Amino acid sequence: TQLLEQSPQFLSIQEGENLTVYCNSSSVFSSLQWYRQEPGEGPVLLVTVVTGGEVKKLKRLTFQFGDARKDSSLHITAAQPGDTGLYLCAGLHQAGTALIFGKGTTLSVSS
Amino acid sequence: GAGVSQTPSNKVTEKGKYVELRCDPISGHTALYWYRQSLGQGPEFLIYFQGTGAADDSGLPNDRFFAVRPEGSVSTLKIQRTERGDSAVYLCASSSGPAREQFFGPGTRLTVL
Repeated sequence: TQLLEQSPQFLSIQEGENLTVYCNSSSVFSSLQWYRQEPGEGPVLLVTVVTGGEVKKLKRLTFQFGDARKDSSLHITAAQPGDTGLYLCAGLHQAGTALIFGKGTTLSVSS
Repeated sequence: GAGVSQTPSNKVTEKGKYVELRCDPISGHTALYWYRQSLGQGPEFLIYFQGTGAADDSGLPNDRFFAVRPEGSVSTLKIQRTERGDSAVYLCASSSGPAREQFFGPGTRLTVL
């Protein structure tokens, strides 16, 4: 069983602070995706990383894929209340087609 | 439609009853996935269709769960003899092919009393 461990599980910060969410596994993934999910809605894809060491930026969000393709991180700069939500990482194993999700990180940003 | 749609959005049923959950994928997407998300957890894979056939049903928890996609578009997830532990949000996703990016619907929240 390939597991994705996400940390922290909960994060409550003030507007303007920076934060990092981690996603770790003992398995290699062909790609890793980050989703954001709001209450009552399905996950919405933020980014896909494919190459070991890859870094992608989406406005204030920076995503990194580990060199060995076993881990990833999401860094948010100057968090805003609109960033509040559940952040999920999901890996796609080389031989499979189903996404394996972490448990998620619930982020709350207060003004 | 523009995105994946799921009906109903909410379903409340009694223990032992039969339920059907429907998913309309993005037009033209050949791959369709069902996931289940319990409170405080990430989605867990149930079943994957490529076209009309179930390519991978290894995530179905037991034989009370069954899914069909007879014409390669709409899919129905069927749960027999529901149990309280089946309560969760059931998510559907579609993609243009295997290992492609998946787009999720809003989910059906199932509550078994």
